[in-house]
Amino acid sequence: GENVEQHPSTLSVQEGDSAVIKCTYSDSASNYFPWYKQELGKRPQLIIDIRSNVGEKKDQRIAVTLNKTAKHFSLHITETQPEDSAVYFCAASTGGNQFYFGTGTSLTVIP
Amino acid sequence: DTGVSQNPRHKITKRGQNVTFRCDPISEHNRLYWYRQTLGQGPEFLTYFQNEAQLEKSRLLSDRFSAERPKGSFSTLEIQRTEQGDSAMYLCASSYLPGERGYTFGSGTRLTVV
Repeated sequence: GENVEQHPSTLSVQEGDSAVIKCTYSDSASNYFPWYKQELGKRPQLIIDIRSNVGEKKDQRIAVTLNKTAKHFSLHITETQPEDSAVYFCAASTGGNQFYFGTGTSLTVIP
Repeated sequence: DTGVSQNPRHKITKRGQNVTFRCDPISEHNRLYWYRQTLGQGPEFLTYFQNEAQLEKSRLLSDRFSAERPKGSFSTLEIQRTEQGDSAMYLCASSYLPGERGYTFGSGTRLTVV
């Protein structure tokens, strides 16, 4: 089955700086890659996603890049704010039903 | 409330007891998923339904676990003879089409087996 690895497990940045979280996947058939944000005690919420026919997608301060050849994708958050502090999960899917999640990155934005 | 609803939010049970969780998906969503999340880990897939049909089950879903979605609306997840290793957050999610804009997750049921 698919194996998704995520790095780093923890990340601290100063407010206003950028944060980058990286994920790799093993199954070349994976074609859909969502990112979820989970605040403490709350549900995971989709923040951005990308399909394998696209190399990059941006939504305001958040962007995701995908390198199919290398089987890795990354989340970029610019101009970080304290409310960006949360755990971020990447995931990969081949058919959109079963998602394989990474182990999460705990992001702390220091005011 | 048009989100995914899960009940109860918290459940504490003694080892060996049976527990049942309920998930009410977004009404127009025909796909419903169960995941388990342990501390410091990402959600792990357990099973999913399309309407009332259970189409896929993970190897994580041992014989003690059973899930149903009898009328294609709400779903229940039952764990029999609970073990301490079953302690986790059980997340339900729903979607209308596979992979379309990801899932919408519920807030989960946190199970503690003592």
